[in-house]
Amino acid sequence: DGGITQSPKYLFRKEGQNVTLSCEQNLNHDAMYWYRQDPGQGLRLIYYSQIVNDFQKGDIAEGYSVSREKKESFPLTVTSAQKNPTAFYLCASSKGRDSSEKLFFGSGTQLSVL
Amino acid sequence: DAKTTQPPSMDCAEGRAANLPCNHSTISGNEYVYWYRQIHSQGPQYIIHGLKNNETNEMASLIITEDRKSSTLILPHATLRDTAVYYCIPGGTSYGKLTFGQGTILTVHP
Repeated sequence: DGGITQSPKYLFRKEGQNVTLSCEQNLNHDAMYWYRQDPGQGLRLIYYSQIVNDFQKGDIAEGYSVSREKKESFPLTVTSAQKNPTAFYLCASSKGRDSSEKLFFGSGTQLSVL
Repeated sequence: DAKTTQPPSMDCAEGRAANLPCNHSTISGNEYVYWYRQIHSQGPQYIIHGLKNNETNEMASLIITEDRKSSTLILPHATLRDTAVYYCIPGGTSYGKLTFGQGTILTVHP
């Protein structure tokens, strides 16, 4: 089945450590996105990419980095500069030809700080 | 961005219609109204979207008022699996910039 796969489902980070969250899609979508969700809150956009080798900052990009070397993959690195990384991270994709298209989401990664 | 107002929570009996309201009085002329839902600890799921006309798909119906200041999502025959947080989101003019607010927690009872 086509879809978006996020791994791992749970991740723990030590102080000062960088961690990378994986996101893979086999929907042949051009656009991919990363969101952060805090408990009881809505989603906030971290980064998005409309095409391979290009990405844009969202509303809360500080302390995060991304790469888009392949159409299928859009990994997110939570760096040590992100002082409050504990959150639920969601990856999404869309066809990318029109900004009004619907988003398809992965099942998320819960990141916690040890 | 347009602001939305949704009731924090609603209840519905299984098999009955669930009508979820949303006020978006500041929506701009080229913004769509999207509805997504999120079951606990999962990613949001797209339900439906519309611009001016009412829309229906296999999951739900969307009724948008003529002035576009409010809309209602209708789940015609709610099941226990429809228990989730439902988000009403004006948007579609910027990539990925859909503002997911607090939404409405819908609880479907047996």
